[in-house]
Amino acid sequence: GAGVSQSPRYKVAKRGQDVALRCDPISGHVSLFWYQQALGQGPEFLTYFQNEAQLDKSGLPSDRFFAERPEGSVSTLKIQRTQQEDSAVYLCASSFVRGGAPHIWMNTEAFFGQGTRLTVV
Amino acid sequence: RKEVEQDPGPFNVPEGATVAFNCTYSNSASQSFFWYRQDCRKEPKLLMSVYSSGNEDGRFTAQLNRASQYISLLIRDSKLSDSATYLCVVNHYSYNTDKLIFGTGTRLQVFP
Repeated sequence: GAGVSQSPRYKVAKRGQDVALRCDPISGHVSLFWYQQALGQGPEFLTYFQNEAQLDKSGLPSDRFFAERPEGSVSTLKIQRTQQEDSAVYLCASSFVRGGAPHIWMNTEAFFGQGTRLTVV
Repeated sequence: RKEVEQDPGPFNVPEGATVAFNCTYSNSASQSFFWYRQDCRKEPKLLMSVYSSGNEDGRFTAQLNRASQYISLLIRDSKLSDSATYLCVVNHYSYNTDKLIFGTGTRLQVFP
């Protein structure tokens, strides 16, 4: 497809259940980001990949959150033992910008997927 | 304190009005600045980058004041279709990593 694809679009999980959220970035995009967006808030940074390397995971809220991008394309965000506070929209974004070259950002953008709306009941 | 601060609004304006949004950021190492637009239950999309000299794209004008760490967005001749949430975004990086940091967003509602 032409854009960033995320699946599933909606996920309802029982508290304590593990979930896996998938992101298919735009082909050839080096950088991949995961964000968490709570209702009425802006997206909050979770983690950043450059190809298969997870260079920044400072935004992951707890060790229940784990992300991977083993072949440098598709990424999976896994949440173990889900809690009600994990309910949010999880957004994936990709860009061809390579980290460490800030001047390139001025003429590029991060493309977002439509997100996965996770509801923990 | 959040790294990027915005007035959440909502701003309710009539069609044809001029409206301005402001944003402040706390990290003086931030290098790049953007406005993103997010429609209800949709993903954010880039509206425009913000350059030091200020830049304009049709009815939209963005300004950056690095000394005050302040970014603004001006929308002239508002249209109904401008109703959305406007997200102020800054980027800063350390060795080999990049982050886009988003503000909470300012909601705009344009009425007939």
